[in-house]
Amino acid sequence: EAGVTQFPSHSVIEKGQTVTLRCDPISGHDNLYWYRRVMGKEIKFLLHFVKESKQDESGMPNNRFLAERTGGTYSTLKVQPAELEDSGVYFCASSSGQGINSPLHFGNGTRLTVT
Amino acid sequence: AQSVTQLDSHVSVSEGTPVLLRCNYSSSYSPSLFWYVQHPNKGLQLLLKYTSAATLVKGINGFEAEFKKSETSFHLTKPSAHMSDAAEYFCVVRAIKAAGNKLTFGGGTRVLVKP
Repeated sequence: EAGVTQFPSHSVIEKGQTVTLRCDPISGHDNLYWYRRVMGKEIKFLLHFVKESKQDESGMPNNRFLAERTGGTYSTLKVQPAELEDSGVYFCASSSGQGINSPLHFGNGTRLTVT
Repeated sequence: AQSVTQLDSHVSVSEGTPVLLRCNYSSSYSPSLFWYVQHPNKGLQLLLKYTSAATLVKGINGFEAEFKKSETSFHLTKPSAHMSDAAEYFCVVRAIKAAGNKLTFGGGTRVLVKP
């Protein structure tokens, strides 16, 4: 079974530019999550999709961040315009269910650097 | 509300000696607790989970953790460190009553294994 795949693995952009991160979950996983780790801080929850619907977006930092999951398959996370404090590692995870016996499977992350 | 504190940001051990990674948590509800590991340039991998069954939990690669409610701790141990254990480890809590799989991460402990 293929794991969670994230593209790109690294992205370096200038302040004010736009970046789009992509996540392909494990096939058949309805639940998709975005987390991020800003330099020196904890990994923090951003949002949770169930299929194409946002179940919880309480962790999204501001309206410069837009997450979509059209068709309930892959997801994109767009940052527009990017700011310096957006630098960090963005993780995507997926799970088949929401119960405790449905663990999250994480991708390798996208390292975003805003200069 | 829930939170996780990993008491050591860095731990250095010699190969073949025991490893102890300390974690304390707080949660308004009965928690589920996890340890994840991240090797360089890899995603987060689940090591083990506690879900209110046995308080001593065995995971992959010889790791185990003990849930101690009275001490609100969930320390991770391994009797004999291997070079391949060099990685960053995350203690994670999820409140059972919380919807979905919204996880709260500790700050991480980076493990260095000396030959």
